[in-house]
Amino acid sequence: EAGVAQSPRYKIIEKRQSVAFWCNPISGHATLYWYQQILGQGPKLLIQFQNNGVVDDSQLPKDRFSAERLKGVDSTLKIQPAKLEDSAVYLCASSPRGRGYYGYTFGSGTRLTVV
Amino acid sequence: AQKVTQAQTEISVVEKEDVTLDCVYETRDTTYYLFWYKQPPSGELVFLIRRNSFDEQNEISGRYSWNFQKSTSSFNFTITASQVVDSAVYFCALKGGETSGSRLTFGEGTQLTVNP
Repeated sequence: EAGVAQSPRYKIIEKRQSVAFWCNPISGHATLYWYQQILGQGPKLLIQFQNNGVVDDSQLPKDRFSAERLKGVDSTLKIQPAKLEDSAVYLCASSPRGRGYYGYTFGSGTRLTVV
Repeated sequence: AQKVTQAQTEISVVEKEDVTLDCVYETRDTTYYLFWYKQPPSGELVFLIRRNSFDEQNEISGRYSWNFQKSTSSFNFTITASQVVDSAVYFCALKGGETSGSRLTFGEGTQLTVNP
């Protein structure tokens, strides 16, 4: 079974620029998560999709972050404009369903550096 | 709201020593799941164990063991006879139930360094 694919692996941008990250979850997984992991901290949930609908985006800074999951498969997370404090690893994870426990699989992440 | 606390930011041991990583959690849910993940320098999150709130049996897997105590809201992780390859950041995480959806709440992590 293929894992959760993320790209790019690394990205360096200047502040105020825009950036987008892509995630392809495990085939058939209905739930997709984006986490932000700042250096030295644990991952923090940004947004959760169930199929192509948003379930939880309470911790997403909506003034600059946006995400979509078209057709309930791939997802894109965008930051516009980026700030220095956005430097972090962005992890995508997927699971078969939202309720109960069905397992989470994490991608390798995208390391963003904002200079 | 749910919360996971890993009080130990960094631990350094010498190879072959036993080491315990502490995890304390808070949740209002009666059904929940607890996890441990390992994050080596390469960055990926490696799943180690899941435990549900109704199963308080301790578990042993090779050199790893876990002690779940509901009475103290703790889920501690012990590595016996540590090895250099165990060096990593270890995260404890909580997935709530009826009030928390399916999000995972992570602790801040414990950086374990095993010296030869």
